[in-house]
Amino acid sequence: KNQVEQSPQSLIILEGKNCTLQCNYTVSPFSNLRWYKQDTGRGPVSLTIMTFSENTKSNGRYTATLDADTKQSSLHITASQLSDSASYICVVSDRGSTLGRLYFGRGTQLTVWP
Amino acid sequence: EADIYQTPRYLVIGTGKKITLECSQTMGHDKMYWYQQDPGMELHLIHYSYGVNSTEKGDLSSESTVSRIRTEHFPLTLESARPSHTSQYLCASSARQGISYEQYFGPGTRLTVT
Repeated sequence: KNQVEQSPQSLIILEGKNCTLQCNYTVSPFSNLRWYKQDTGRGPVSLTIMTFSENTKSNGRYTATLDADTKQSSLHITASQLSDSASYICVVSDRGSTLGRLYFGRGTQLTVWP
Repeated sequence: EADIYQTPRYLVIGTGKKITLECSQTMGHDKMYWYQQDPGMELHLIHYSYGVNSTEKGDLSSESTVSRIRTEHFPLTLESARPSHTSQYLCASSARQGISYEQYFGPGTRLTVT
């Protein structure tokens, strides 16, 4: 069964600290993996997208890694800011159809305290 | 930021009412989607469209219906709302980027049926 599991479910850190969010998936055949940021009451916004040949991709203070062999990804946030408080969603796409079927994780709820 | 709009942003209605959630995008994207998301849960695809006059049901069974008469417009209708329809509804559209499709999400409509 194609699934995307994220951990931790929630995380609280102090402003300025770093953190790492985890994503494990069983989606096959794999096409790409995305990380989205979803602010409360808003739609998700794409942070990074990686294909199976990419190991690392950065977007400012966000760095995503992908290990296609172990089917794991992580999102590292450096020097956290209050505006980083949001849900971070891991999304995996398969190659089974033109639509590019997306499988969503439940997200990690990150709270950054001052 | 993607140009995809949803109205209303919040809606509280009584059981049995007919409602239409609006979604419009100005990017000329052919593919559009409707997702349902409950708090702390993953997004579930309920409808999608490849283009004008094309609509398909998604993975999650929904009593809602959609139409695609114009490329930019993808409304979702509930003929008779029930409390079980209370949820957040997210509209998205996608465009090809490299070998994959990037999805752009609207801000969502928070529906409460009393």
